[in-house]
Amino acid sequence: QVQLRESGPGLVKPSQTLSLTCSVSGDSIGRGGYYWGWIRQHPEKGLEYIGYIYYTGETFYNPSLKSRITISKDTSKNQLSLRLNSVTAADTAVYYCARAQVGHSAPLENWGQGTLVTVSS
Amino acid sequence: DIQMTQSPSSLSASVGDRVTVTCRASQNVADFVNWFQKKPGEAPKLLIYAASNLHSGVPSRFSGGGSGTDFTLTISSLQTEDFATYYCQQTYSNPPTFGQGTRIEIK
Repeated sequence: QVQLRESGPGLVKPSQTLSLTCSVSGDSIGRGGYYWGWIRQHPEKGLEYIGYIYYTGETFYNPSLKSRITISKDTSKNQLSLRLNSVTAADTAVYYCARAQVGHSAPLENWGQGTLVTVSS
Repeated sequence: DIQMTQSPSSLSASVGDRVTVTCRASQNVADFVNWFQKKPGEAPKLLIYAASNLHSGVPSRFSGGGSGTDFTLTISSLQTEDFATYYCQQTYSNPPTFGQGTRIEIK
């Protein structure tokens, strides 16, 4: 059973860089067949797809965030990373990593528990 | 971006009720629609994929339907554990987008 766990600082100052790691167990991110993505939920609001990475290293970034984000992977550690530059209070959210099956409708089948990141001075 | 609009935004229902949530896409998304259940403090859970396919382990009281622009999520007999917020998502076109959510509350 695949498990994902997000980690990183819970508090980030405005204008700084948010860095999160997603540790994966029960599957290899170097194996094909799945996208590995990041999604966030702002307080009391809906879900926003940040982007994803494929085992080949191919990435997709939400255009609304594209200029500020980098998603990468470390296959040797079986980890994903998210970096979001120049954060503001609007980036305060619970951040989730998730695994989506490649194919029809690419459903996000497995999710981490999420980690709350607050942007505040 | 494709907009996904859910209705209602919230509803009150009783255990045993049949409940239907609607999701409308701003353009044709074929059947590239997934449905998720979200409870406070928990990760979202996939219920339905490709509009009408029940994800493994999800109770059969959940069902999905629709294609094109109009989709539904139905719970045939609401259970206590079903009180939560439900989201539709389209993956037809990047970026994938979610509806704003439908909160199901206990009447």
